[in-house]
Amino acid sequence: RKEVEQDPGPFNVPEGATVAFNCTYSNSASQSFFWYRQDCRKEPKLLMSVYSSGNEDGRFTAQLNRASQYISLLIRDSKLSDSATYLCVVNIAGKLTFGTGTRLTIIP
Amino acid sequence: DGGITQSPKYLFRKEGQNVTLSCEQNLNHDAMYWYRQDPGQGLRLIYYSQIVNDFQKGDIAEGYSVSREKKESFPLTVTSAQKNPTAFYLCASSNLAEQYFGPGTRLTVT
Repeated sequence: RKEVEQDPGPFNVPEGATVAFNCTYSNSASQSFFWYRQDCRKEPKLLMSVYSSGNEDGRFTAQLNRASQYISLLIRDSKLSDSATYLCVVNIAGKLTFGTGTRLTIIP
Repeated sequence: DGGITQSPKYLFRKEGQNVTLSCEQNLNHDAMYWYRQDPGQGLRLIYYSQIVNDFQKGDIAEGYSVSREKKESFPLTVTSAQKNPTAFYLCASSNLAEQYFGPGTRLTVT
């Protein structure tokens, strides 16, 4: 089983829709969690950290479920500029482990 | 302007040659990292350094070497021993848990 698993997609979603995707992790000792965004042929950029109580940043909401070992990302009122690959990242003993990413395309 | 720079953006080499990729940061971060990314795969950790003059192997260190003589700089050498060196190489730095990435170097070895 991979340490961090994501559905690779692609998810094609109309502009304005709400989209959500999950990521599961296998190591219960995982300490912290992040979502990164990566545009085609560019570096990953930190989108948001994921806190136990859940957190929101504008149209983006991240949640953590430690019991079921998954994190989620919800994007509301999606924009064309949200088209990217979203990487789920887990910190295990100080090392970051990256999922392979979920590819999202917002359609006009 | 604070950030991480990597140069060059594109690098082409012949098989059998060693090549060194540059990574510089002016964020005053203690830790620096090298990853490679291949199509359809997640980032894989090559080497990391949490303090000057010290570094550790990551998951795929074979065929690579690094040095950390200055806090700002963490160059990566891809040696001829690396079997599949063609990839997108990303350098990152961090002070706490979050890592910030440079723009990457695309290395093609033919």
